[in-house]
Amino acid sequence: DAGVTQSPTHLIKTRGQQVTLRCSPKSGHDTVSWYQQALGQGPQFIFQYYEEEERQRGNFPDRFSGHQFPNYSSELNVNALLLGDSALYLCASSTGTGFDTFGSGTRLTVV
Amino acid sequence: GIQVEQSPPDLILQEGANSTLRCNFSDSVNNLQWFHQNPWGQLINLFYIPSGTKQNGRLSATTVATERYSLLYISSSQTTDSGVYFCAVATPLVFGKGTRLSVIA
Repeated sequence: DAGVTQSPTHLIKTRGQQVTLRCSPKSGHDTVSWYQQALGQGPQFIFQYYEEEERQRGNFPDRFSGHQFPNYSSELNVNALLLGDSALYLCASSTGTGFDTFGSGTRLTVV
Repeated sequence: GIQVEQSPPDLILQEGANSTLRCNFSDSVNNLQWFHQNPWGQLINLFYIPSGTKQNGRLSATTVATERYSLLYISSSQTTDSGVYFCAVATPLVFGKGTRLSVIA
């Protein structure tokens, strides 16, 4: 049973560019959440998707957007990248209750 | 919003030693999880423990919801226990800043 799969694992982008990160949830999970983890900090909630709708959103600008597909997989898009967007981006899936299962993350570097 | 504080921020142990990590939170919660983040960034769920006590091998956790704290116990520590331990509460998860544990052989 595959866990949460994220791609790519590493990514280098230039300021001002756009990036798309992908996440496949654990089998049986229908809720996907995205988190940003800056160096030395705990993860911070970006948004959560359920039934292809954004259900909750953290304190992140509109440059951060997402999508959930009918197969429950999800994408995180970030426009107009800033140096401060450099971080580990984590995807977590769940059934909405109980514990969250995290992927290995995508490490984004903006230069 | 809810605040999560973890202590200590850093901990260095000799292999075989025991340790206790603490998580305080500012409001009632119905979701509390402990995670271990390995050097590659993977967050591994250790416990889902909104209340009560659970044990898994050398690890155990206790949450006293009425007093808004949780404890993670690591016994007979091993070098593979090194990494950052996070407490996270609520839905969606609100994380503390973590405890960085280094176990030395």
